[in-house]
Amino acid sequence: AQKITQTQPGMFVQEKEAVTLDCTYDTSDPSYGLFWYKQPSSGEMIFLIYQGSYDQQNATEGRYSLNFQKARKSANLVISASQLGDSAMYFCAMRETMDSSYKLIFGSGTRLLVRP
Amino acid sequence: DVKVTQSSRYLVKRTGEKVFLECVQDMDHENMFWYRQDPGLGLRLIYFSYDVKMKEKGDIPEGYSVSREKKERFSLILESASTNQTSMYLCASSSPNLYGYTFGSGTRLTVV
Repeated sequence: AQKITQTQPGMFVQEKEAVTLDCTYDTSDPSYGLFWYKQPSSGEMIFLIYQGSYDQQNATEGRYSLNFQKARKSANLVISASQLGDSAMYFCAMRETMDSSYKLIFGSGTRLLVRP
Repeated sequence: DVKVTQSSRYLVKRTGEKVFLECVQDMDHENMFWYRQDPGLGLRLIYFSYDVKMKEKGDIPEGYSVSREKKERFSLILESASTNQTSMYLCASSSPNLYGYTFGSGTRLTVV
């Protein structure tokens, strides 16, 4: 069964508007971490934001926030005030604490295009 | 800054060739990973290593092997390259006491 699901292969947003990228996950581990990465056309993976399963508050990092709904097993990324430079692939990922390998499990990604 | 360096950005190899993809990290991280990235499939784990000379299979190890003779270097080996191994390969490293991972800039491999 797929552990990380990103249902939006591609999205458009107008510059300066907010956009939400969806991510749902599946795990039986009560302790886990959720990550979002950005991959520009250059190929490097850029870490954006992290949410721990026991964190009480939703994570925020500048214009990025993570809408964490534990009961629904969703961890949507919200980008406020979109900029042209936000055009990229975005990946949601999870690490299960019971998994001693510390590996990340990735979703299939969402390609975001910001229109001027 | 933590740095993960992959030796080649672009590589073109012939079917049947033995291919080495090199990855070096400079932050003394214990864990290193090799992923491949394909459109619509995201990143899939090929192999990982949590110590020198230790290796574990990921989700798609078939057709690949790895080597970790030194802590800073993790090599991915395609024993006999095939066209279905044309892909983007990403190396990453992390430490058990960190939640973050650092990725290399990727190697885009084409097998013809």
